[in-house]
Amino acid sequence: DIQMTQSPSSVSASIGDRVIITCRASQGITNSLAWFQQKPGKAPKSLMFGASILQSWVPSRFSGSGSGTDFTLTISSLQPEDFATYYCQHYHAYPYSFGPGTKVVL
Amino acid sequence: EVQLVESGGGWVQTGRSLRLSCVVSGFTLDRYGMGWVRQGPGKGLEWVSGISSSGVTTAYADSVKGRFTISRDTAKNTLYLQMSSLRPEDTGFYYCASVADYWGQGTLVSVSS
Repeated sequence: DIQMTQSPSSVSASIGDRVIITCRASQGITNSLAWFQQKPGKAPKSLMFGASILQSWVPSRFSGSGSGTDFTLTISSLQPEDFATYYCQHYHAYPYSFGPGTKVVL
Repeated sequence: EVQLVESGGGWVQTGRSLRLSCVVSGFTLDRYGMGWVRQGPGKGLEWVSGISSSGVTTAYADSVKGRFTISRDTAKNTLYLQMSSLRPEDTGFYYCASVADYWGQGTLVSVSS
């Protein structure tokens, strides 16, 4: 099974900051990676798939990169609504596992 | 507009069964791989089970293998999760989701004696 790790587990940031979250797979997953955002008490929401393809409802300050085993999610200029927990998930082969999450706090 | 609406959650005694449903609108189940994801209290997301767009392939997390069964009814465009031999550690919100895209709002399952 493929294991997913994320770093950092938590990041403290201010409005306007650039935030980078890293996700690593225990083996190569090509670009079969998705990122999700979850706010307290809410269902997760998809940000991107294919490692770097933004969903239509996601603002352009979000971007993704990577292939193989190492991936990043970048928020170019943090906005108040971006304080949330972010998860990566691979969908390369079953079982599709998630990373442990990265909490972005003020 | 895409909508995924889960139902069937609730409180159940340890060892009993429950069936979750997810009614999908806005796309057909035979176009997307689908799955169930759960989140225990204060915990992260855990992938539980998946079914391919063809419906031929199903898969389960080790924690639920042999106890949970995923299925779908394409005529009703509905996804199911049959859960049996439930344990307290199965407690949490259960989300229906298409692979990498859309999520439902979740249904809460609580298991205790």
